[in-house]
Amino acid sequence: QQQVKQSPQSLIVQKGGISIINCAYENTAFDYFPWYQQFPGKGPALLIAIRPDVSEKKEGRFTISFNKSAKQFSLHIMDSQPGDSATYFCAASPSGNTPLVFGKGTRLSVIA
Amino acid sequence: GAVVSQHPSRVICKSGTSVKIECRSLDFQATTMFWYRQFPKQSLMLMATSNEGSKATYEQGVEKDKFLINHASLTLSTLTVTSAHPEDSSFYICSARPARTSYEQYFGPGTRLTVT
Repeated sequence: QQQVKQSPQSLIVQKGGISIINCAYENTAFDYFPWYQQFPGKGPALLIAIRPDVSEKKEGRFTISFNKSAKQFSLHIMDSQPGDSATYFCAASPSGNTPLVFGKGTRLSVIA
Repeated sequence: GAVVSQHPSRVICKSGTSVKIECRSLDFQATTMFWYRQFPKQSLMLMATSNEGSKATYEQGVEKDKFLINHASLTLSTLTVTSAHPEDSSFYICSARPARTSYEQYFGPGTRLTVT
């Protein structure tokens, strides 16, 4: 019930391509869905987040798509660059002062 | 805005000694801070939730007497690893939730602990 399932585990994308990472959840009480980017040896950085009242949110090259009925959300990275190579974590939480539940992460490699 | 710092960034200590890690929210007040542990190539494992002025809530399997958490102010939480052993070697990361929101969570840069 508390899990967030993330796929794929790893992803290789050509420079300029679109990177797509997917997450699925079961707990219908979740109503906040952030994505974090983590470089080796660093803490995760909040990339973009969405609430269930919208189906899509875009910030620069990063877009979250949210499907409430399917209980799925995804991160799209347009025009992927080598500098985007990192580990990406999806997460979810219900409202209130509760911890985030994290997916297992996706290691993205963008090759030239 | 929303910057979280951790100190130290790296620490090496001998087995049996204690180590204190500080987590500070630099430009916001945080009523809640979280402590995570991360093993190589794995996700973040929540250790405890720390609320300012009250006792921390520890996740199942985390020894509260070994991992002492103090959240003494709205900008500072500390994690003390007591009587450290080599198996405590890990990457420890804190995060802070601004008092103005019940959703967003910002992470510190992490502390690499090595116990020899």
